[in-house]
Amino acid sequence: DTAVSQTPKYLVTQMGNDKSIKCEQNLGHDTMYWYKQDSKKFLKIMFSYNNKELIINETVPNRFSPKSPDKAHLNLHINSLELGDSAVYFCASSRGLAGTYEQYFGPGTRLTVT
Amino acid sequence: DQQVKQNSPSLSVQEGRISILNCDYTNSMFDYFLWYKKYPAEGPTFLISISSIKDKNEDGRFTVFLNKSAKHLSLHIVPSQPGDSAVYFCAARSSGSARQLTFGSGTQLTVLP
Repeated sequence: DTAVSQTPKYLVTQMGNDKSIKCEQNLGHDTMYWYKQDSKKFLKIMFSYNNKELIINETVPNRFSPKSPDKAHLNLHINSLELGDSAVYFCASSRGLAGTYEQYFGPGTRLTVT
Repeated sequence: DQQVKQNSPSLSVQEGRISILNCDYTNSMFDYFLWYKKYPAEGPTFLISISSIKDKNEDGRFTVFLNKSAKHLSLHIVPSQPGDSAVYFCAARSSGSARQLTFGSGTQLTVLP
């Protein structure tokens, strides 16, 4: 009964490919997020959705497109993958807006682009 | 220009002693601070938080101190236990409507038995 789950856990792919990472939460939360943990280990917010609406869209390449089919899911689609996209991507959810409510993180997806 | 900095990438402490993890920030608009703990192959989990209107918050063995004038916060763990070995992330919330979190780069704490 994992609260926030991500698939796949590991993803190895070649440059130029298109890939998706899926995220699901069973906590009944209204807000979901995607974070990128780069090589320097910083966790950086990429996107945030509240009730299926985009509320945070940081400066990320438009090759990254989040999709929220319903409140429990926030998927991340990446087009034309580049070497610099290699990182660990974390999905998270919270009952309300970040900081006001605790965020629950998924286990992460390690993406390696070769 | 990282707005939240954890300058010590690693810290080793003997079991039973105090662990002190430090975090500095530059943005005066941060109004809420959080600590997250992360084990390998898992996502971060919330540990403790503090509002900018307070200077201390305690929860069991964990205490967070905030020095607003120095833009510095610290997490104290007393007594440290081997199970506390993990990466600790400091995070700060911006006071705007989006309420997004800015994370530091983490400190690997190792508690030696």
